[in-house]
Amino acid sequence: DQQVKQNSPSLSVQEGRISILNCDYTNSMFDYFLWYKKYPAEGPTFLISISSIKDKNEDGRFTVFLNKSAKHLSLHIVPSQPGDSAVYFCAASASVVGSNYQLIWGAGTKLIIKP
Amino acid sequence: DSGVTQTPKHLITATGQRVTLRCSPRSGDLSVYWYQQSLDQGLQFLIQYYNGEERAKGNILERFSAQQFPDLHSELNLSSLELGDSALYFCASSAGPPGQGIAYEQYFGPGTRLTVT
Repeated sequence: DQQVKQNSPSLSVQEGRISILNCDYTNSMFDYFLWYKKYPAEGPTFLISISSIKDKNEDGRFTVFLNKSAKHLSLHIVPSQPGDSAVYFCAASASVVGSNYQLIWGAGTKLIIKP
Repeated sequence: DSGVTQTPKHLITATGQRVTLRCSPRSGDLSVYWYQQSLDQGLQFLIQYYNGEERAKGNILERFSAQQFPDLHSELNLSSLELGDSALYFCASSAGPPGQGIAYEQYFGPGTRLTVT
């Protein structure tokens, strides 16, 4: 049972345009969401997060949007740059007793920025 | 640099052998997590320790075990190795204690690439 789903295994975007990566979740108890970026043979790097009390969080070129009613979040990268080519993971957590604040991970979306 | 260190970077060993992977968390972080990534697949959570105690188990095989020491570094022991255990093993750490939102953010080490021949 995949609680966090990234339905697009890959995405190709022209340099300078907007990249939109999507993530859906099924567990309504999730209240904290994170995006990680991963280059080959390196550990994932924390990118941006959002709490369920917000619907938007922005950090430079990266913005995460959360739609709780749809159980959907998205990561927008504007403008896209060649260095953004990587695998992006969505992760979620629930601050309930016994959760241990585990992160539930999506399968990842490979973003390719074309010059 | 995330501040999480892992050793060794690469490990090549034969089937049936036992290896130990080591992780030092970021300064001040109390939680350590171990993940396995096989052949460009997603991250599989193995186990979590918080301040020396096991807190959660994921898809960890019985042949695998881990511990966190008083100085907070952690070791992942893999025994009776099989070809299918070849993978990247990542350690991550997070600030604690649980109960604060910042505890969610995990910072990953560079990983140990294990090759079983």
